[in-house]
Amino acid sequence: AQSVTQLGSHVSVSEGALVLLRCNYSSSVPPYLFWYVQYPNQGLQLLLKYTSAATLVKGINGFEAEFKKSETSFHLTKPSAHMSDAAEYFCAVRNYGGSQGNLIFGKGTKLSVKP
Amino acid sequence: DAGVIQSPRHEVTEMGQEVTLRCKPISGHNSLFWYRQTMMRGLELLIYFNNNVPIDDSGMPEDRFSAKMPNASFSTLKIQPSEPRDSAVYFCASRSGTGEAEAFFGQGTRLTVV
Repeated sequence: AQSVTQLGSHVSVSEGALVLLRCNYSSSVPPYLFWYVQYPNQGLQLLLKYTSAATLVKGINGFEAEFKKSETSFHLTKPSAHMSDAAEYFCAVRNYGGSQGNLIFGKGTKLSVKP
Repeated sequence: DAGVIQSPRHEVTEMGQEVTLRCKPISGHNSLFWYRQTMMRGLELLIYFNNNVPIDDSGMPEDRFSAKMPNASFSTLKIQPSEPRDSAVYFCASRSGTGEAEAFFGQGTRLTVV
């Protein structure tokens, strides 16, 4: 069965600092991986996705993530945090089980950005 | 396209009342998902439709919950009778095609049962 684990329910950085949000996955088959962002009182919006085309994936708003099979990781990074990045971030993996096509989400990481 | 449209955005109801949440997926998408988000449990899949047919409803909490998709452009999630523990944000999402395609989420319905 597929699963994702997000390390750290809350991450706080200063404006301009590096953002690193961690995600580890478990999958018995090559995974499809996704990062979504949720702003307060909003739905989830796709940041980026990994579909095996390239291990370094660039997304919107300056975010990128690197797929590392050896580490079963798909960490999200941004070189310089902006106040507008404050939100909750979810890592997800496509389910290959009974509910094929469903996304299995991590618990989320809330990012705070200090001025 | 206007994206996935959910209504209402907010719903406050009394315990024991019937609640119906509505979703209009993106035109042309063939998969539709209902999720529930709470602080305690995060995002949970309730039910998944493919081509209007329920594929997996194992996440539906109990018989009080039911979902329908009468056509490709409309789905409902009904709770009858509602209970305070059903208070949560309910999201509808739709997707087109194969597994590498992302799901597009609606704005959600915030349900409060008092």
